Amino acid sequence: EDKVVQSPLSLVVHEGDTVTLNCSYEVTNFRSLLWYKQEKKAPTFLFMLTSSGIEKKSGRLSSILDKKELFSILNITATQTGDSAIYLCAVDTNTGNQFYFGTGTSLTVIP
Amino acid sequence: SAVISQKPSRDICQRGTSLTIQCQVDSQVTMMFWYRQQPGQSLTLIATANQGSEATYESGFVIDKFPISRPNLTFSTLTVSNMSPEDSSIYLCSVVYSYEQYFGPGTRLTVT
Repeated sequence: EDKVVQSPLSLVVHEGDTVTLNCSYEVTNFRSLLWYKQEKKAPTFLFMLTSSGIEKKSGRLSSILDKKELFSILNITATQTGDSAIYLCAVDTNTGNQFYFGTGTSLTVIP
Repeated sequence: SAVISQKPSRDICQRGTSLTIQCQVDSQVTMMFWYRQQPGQSLTLIATANQGSEATYESGFVIDKFPISRPNLTFSTLTVSNMSPEDSSIYLCSVVYSYEQYFGPGTRLTVT
């Protein structure tokens, strides 16, 4: 059965800290892995990763994929209170129509 | 990218009633997806809405409870029927466009 597991489930840090969120997956016919930030209702897209070892970066956020070990990490440096959200990892496959979502990591950044 | 609108954005409904959620996309897409996110949980796919054919439901979801319409390539509706408090959730419409997934703003449903 295809599955996506995220860790930790929740995290509380102080502003300025650096955090690393983990996503491991077991799917057949992997195509891509996506990271989303969910603050209120709708997730907003952060990154799509398809190749191992190539870091994607956007401001203080970066992510990398390891297709051999079947995981990805999302790094956030110099965290701010506005980074407080649920971060979702999802995996897309070449078969079927759905993206498989992890349970998410709830990040709280306190001043 | 694809821009998705959903309505209503929120509603409070009494048990036993039904609510229809509308989803509009600014681009033509083959498949539209309906997700549910119950409090404290991740997204769960309810069904895939296919234009011109019946929706494909995931395990645990049935057409009688969640009827879906897909009259054209830019629009879909999801009805939550005979609601109970367990249906209180966020309902999200989603499309895949150029291999990226986009979500509507969501409908927060509370059933009392």
